[in-house]
Amino acid sequence: EVQLVESGGGLVQPGGSRRLSCAVSGFTFSSHWMHWVRQAPGKGLMWVARINSDASSTAYADSVKGRFTISRDNAENTLYLQMNSLRGDDAAVYYCARATTMSSPLRDWGQGTPVIVSS
Amino acid sequence: EIVLTQSPGTLSLSPGERATLSCRASQSIILNYLAWYQQKPGQAPSLLIYSASRRATGIPDRFSGSGSETDFTLTISRLEPEDFAVYYCQQYGTSPSTFGQGTRLEI
Repeated sequence: EVQLVESGGGLVQPGGSRRLSCAVSGFTFSSHWMHWVRQAPGKGLMWVARINSDASSTAYADSVKGRFTISRDNAENTLYLQMNSLRGDDAAVYYCARATTMSSPLRDWGQGTPVIVSS
Repeated sequence: EIVLTQSPGTLSLSPGERATLSCRASQSIILNYLAWYQQKPGQAPSLLIYSASRRATGIPDRFSGSGSETDFTLTISRLEPEDFAVYYCQQYGTSPSTFGQGTRLEI
């Protein structure tokens, strides 16, 4: 069974940092591209970042570029999102999701981890 | 980036009726790399349709997708009570990937 379990969310002050993790099981992690998608309270989905299977290529939404870093540890079957210089509009539930290749839909999603940005 | 516009914003129907949801792109979507997701309250989204018309594993055949280039449709032939949810389209052919704003399907 494919499982993706996010963790690391919580309350963070504006300007602060947070690292999210996504532990996966049930599939060959090192063969899949991975994504982060977020959803602000009561809002729609927004793609945040993606990383290819061997971590040689990453891409980001313009709104997070230069502040967020996606990475992965294929030995530990874990995906990460390092978030720096957090702003109020970064508050959201953050989902990790798996894809097969660069041009693939998001076939499986985690349950999400909430990030609250407030002083 | 490609902007996806979904319509209507809210669709009010009854079980047994047919639902037609639209997703229009600001430019042609490469190789029809368009997906539809369903999201129920408090849950993560789940994949319904990919490549515009292919059902994901385990998706009942009352769900169908169609369209090409800039105009895409998700059709639910006979609504079941569990189908009332929010539906999102996503293009994944051009970076950055983008989502539509969603259509809420309500009873």
